[in-house]
Amino acid sequence: DAGITQSPRHKVTETGTPVTLRCHQTENHRYMYWYRQDPGHGLRLIHYSYGVKDTDKGEVSDGYSVSRSKTEDFLLTLESATSSQTSVYFCAISEPSSTYEQYFGPGTRLTVT
Amino acid sequence: AQKVTQAQTEISVVEKEDVTLDCVYETRDTTYYLFWYKQPPSGELVFLIRRNSFDEQNEISGRYSWNFQKSTSSFNFTITASQVVDSAVYFCALSIRPNNAGNMLTFGGGTRLMVKP
Repeated sequence: DAGITQSPRHKVTETGTPVTLRCHQTENHRYMYWYRQDPGHGLRLIHYSYGVKDTDKGEVSDGYSVSRSKTEDFLLTLESATSSQTSVYFCAISEPSSTYEQYFGPGTRLTVT
Repeated sequence: AQKVTQAQTEISVVEKEDVTLDCVYETRDTTYYLFWYKQPPSGELVFLIRRNSFDEQNEISGRYSWNFQKSTSSFNFTITASQVVDSAVYFCALSIRPNNAGNMLTFGGGTRLMVKP
């Protein structure tokens, strides 16, 4: 199994509060991704990173920001949490190669009340 | 833009039945990659298979097989002699030619498979 951890694994927060989710990898993979999973939508890309301090937006980036100051850590911040951001958040990693599989972390269940 | 459609939202079968999960994709790129992931009730996402657009050979891995047909833009997944442990949500995903920014996946909505004993 790829060495990917996410913290926290579960969080309940109130509307309007900032929240930061952490993804940590031990694989030294170059690419990291944040997805959210919602019923009927599968997983949708929020932001991704292609190197330290190199990030870009995905399909559903509004209300989210990211930072990557070290290869192993990719942080997702909800600047002011809303109920529509209640979801399960997955981090993934991949490495340039001929295969390009993405390997996923265990997920973080976030509830915004 | 890419799109992946998994028209079957839920499938229920009895153990030992064969079951096929459908996946239809849309892309204008001629080079792309298709994936299947499994999400068991525990919630993690497990990589099952990757196929690139130049390789239309069907693949078999134990009870699992995949049928890739470019003519119909489909990448279907068959489980033979299903077992209760196959109960999960299965996702089909598409990635166009990876570039310096990596390979972002476009997922289908998923198919929940329930295998009853």
